[in-house]
Amino acid sequence: AQSVTQPDIHITVSEGASLELRCNYSYGATPYLFWYVQSPGQGLQLLLKYFSGDTLVQGIKGFEAEFKRSQSSFNLRKPSVHWSDAAEYFCAVAQTGANNLFFGTGTRLTVIP
Amino acid sequence: EAGVAQSPRYKIIEKRQSVAFWCNPISGHATLYWYQQILGQGPKLLIQFQNNGVVDDSQLPKDRFSAERLKGVDSTLKIQPAKLEDSAVYLCASSPPQGRKLFFGSGTQLSVL
Repeated sequence: AQSVTQPDIHITVSEGASLELRCNYSYGATPYLFWYVQSPGQGLQLLLKYFSGDTLVQGIKGFEAEFKRSQSSFNLRKPSVHWSDAAEYFCAVAQTGANNLFFGTGTRLTVIP
Repeated sequence: EAGVAQSPRYKIIEKRQSVAFWCNPISGHATLYWYQQILGQGPKLLIQFQNNGVVDDSQLPKDRFSAERLKGVDSTLKIQPAKLEDSAVYLCASSPPQGRKLFFGSGTQLSVL
């Protein structure tokens, strides 16, 4: 069975600093991987996804993520964080050929001036 | 393009009462999902529809939860009777026939007292 682990419950960064949010997955085959962002009181918005090909994927709002098969990881990065990036970030995995998503527990990002 | 619509936005009920949530997916999206997001956790799939048929309801507590999508468009999720542990945000999502990108509504926040 697939599972997703986000080891950091809460991260605080200064505005303008770089960001890396960790995600590890467990799945027998090559999974489909996603990062979603959720602002307070809002639904989830897709930042980026990985299905196959280039292991470094670019997303919206300046985010990128790198798929590392050897480490079963799909970490999210941003070189310079903006105050508006404060939100909850969820990593998710889907089985090959399926649409259903399994989500991690999320990482809450706080941005300080 | 209109997004996934959900109502009501908030609902407060007492335990043992019944409640219903409504979802209108994006036009043309054949697949519809209901997710439950308990505070501090990632969303968990309750049920997945393909048109008006159920694809996956393995995580739906069928003794108290029910869902339908009679005409393959709108969907209703019902809880009867509600328990304290049902307090959560109920998210509806839809996806187009050819893609794995899920579009989420803003959710219904349920508080069971």
